[in-house]
Amino acid sequence: EAGVVQSPRYKIIEKKQPVAFWCNPISGHNTLYWYRQNLGQGPELLIRYENEEAVDDSQLPKDRFSAERLKGVDSTLKIQPAELGDSAVYLCASSLGGPGRRFTGELFFGEGSRLTVL
Amino acid sequence: QQQVKQSPQSLIVQKGGISIINCAYENTAFDYFPWYQQFPGKGPALLIAIRPDVSEKKEGRFTISFNKSAKQFSLHIMDSQPGDSATYFCAARNSGGYQKVTFGTGTKLQVIP
Repeated sequence: EAGVVQSPRYKIIEKKQPVAFWCNPISGHNTLYWYRQNLGQGPELLIRYENEEAVDDSQLPKDRFSAERLKGVDSTLKIQPAELGDSAVYLCASSLGGPGRRFTGELFFGEGSRLTVL
Repeated sequence: QQQVKQSPQSLIVQKGGISIINCAYENTAFDYFPWYQQFPGKGPALLIAIRPDVSEKKEGRFTISFNKSAKQFSLHIMDSQPGDSATYFCAARNSGGYQKVTFGTGTKLQVIP
């Protein structure tokens, strides 16, 4: 079974430029997460989707970050414009769960997209 | 706000030794405590997990010890091997709402031959 797929793996951009990350979750997982992992830190939740609905985006900097999950499968995370402090690894994860189904607690992560903003 | 505190930040253990990583929490609404293992260039992967009604869980060389009254839990890696060298994150799941999982800051473990 294929795991969570993310692209690109690496991205280097100048500050103020836009960037987008793509995620394809594990088939059948209706819950999708975007986490940001700063160097030497644990993952921090940016946004969580149940199917195509964003149910927790309280930590998403909405002035420059946006996300979408069309058709409840793939998702895209966008930053526009990027700032130096956005340099981090952006992790996508998926899990079983959602309305009517208890979340087991296990998150399945992709390998991440490492962003460097110069 | 850091809800799960993890220590040490880094750890060096000799092959065959015991690695111990500690975590503490404040939120009594947490109801599930997983540990994740992350190798360089990879995403975290679930290693072992425990519920607060159990004081210890063992899977192979990995053991979680849980102290509910102290709100502390720890990961013990017995007979540590160089292949265990990775970053370990404790985490906690909130029982309410959308059951958000909060991660600790991580411990970078290096097992030397």
